[in-house]
Amino acid sequence: DAGVIQSPRHEVTEMGQEVTLRCKPISGHDYLFWYRQTMMRGLELLIYFNNNVPIDDSGMPEDRFSAKMPNASFSTLKIQPSEPRDSAVYFCASGRTGASETQYFGPGTRLLVL
Amino acid sequence: DAKTTQPTSMDCAEGRAANLPCNHSTISGNEYVYWYRQIHSQGPQYIIHGLKNNETNEMASLIITEDRKSSTLILPHATLRDTAVYYCIVTNFGNEKLTFGTGTRLTIIP
Repeated sequence: DAGVIQSPRHEVTEMGQEVTLRCKPISGHDYLFWYRQTMMRGLELLIYFNNNVPIDDSGMPEDRFSAKMPNASFSTLKIQPSEPRDSAVYFCASGRTGASETQYFGPGTRLLVL
Repeated sequence: DAKTTQPTSMDCAEGRAANLPCNHSTISGNEYVYWYRQIHSQGPQYIIHGLKNNETNEMASLIITEDRKSSTLILPHATLRDTAVYYCIVTNFGNEKLTFGTGTRLTIIP
């Protein structure tokens, strides 16, 4: 298996622009997690899905952030409008039912908002 | 989830065993201990987990004290590629979520 795939790997954008991050989980995994990592706040869980349904979005910082999972093999995290404080590395991870704490992380998307 | 305490940083000589401690004195009976690591510029990587028995896999060994208030992750023969931040996480099995702390930055010295 190719593992969790994220795109793009790097994104540079200007404040106010819309940013869309993409994730393909490992086939057969029914949990999908979005995390954000910054130097100041460390690794934070933003939202996670089970069987394509959002279960907990309490970590989403504000309404500018939204996430969707239209099918079992694809998820997006959108920021609109983006702000410089959104600059971070965004990780997607997936896991199986019964072992969702054993998570497999993607390589991350490094976002810089100017 | 129980709080964990880890040293901020540690060094270990290449080829020696790296022993990373974690204190979780408030752990409850149904909480597991999970270990992840994050190599620079990569996503976190699952290493091992356990409840009360010692566990071993191809990457590491996990030793949990009898009272379960602390644990040690052992990398038996550390290599330069083991340089990473190591996270100890305590969570209920089935909790689904993980809360990452600040971890231990392990540096393997040639």
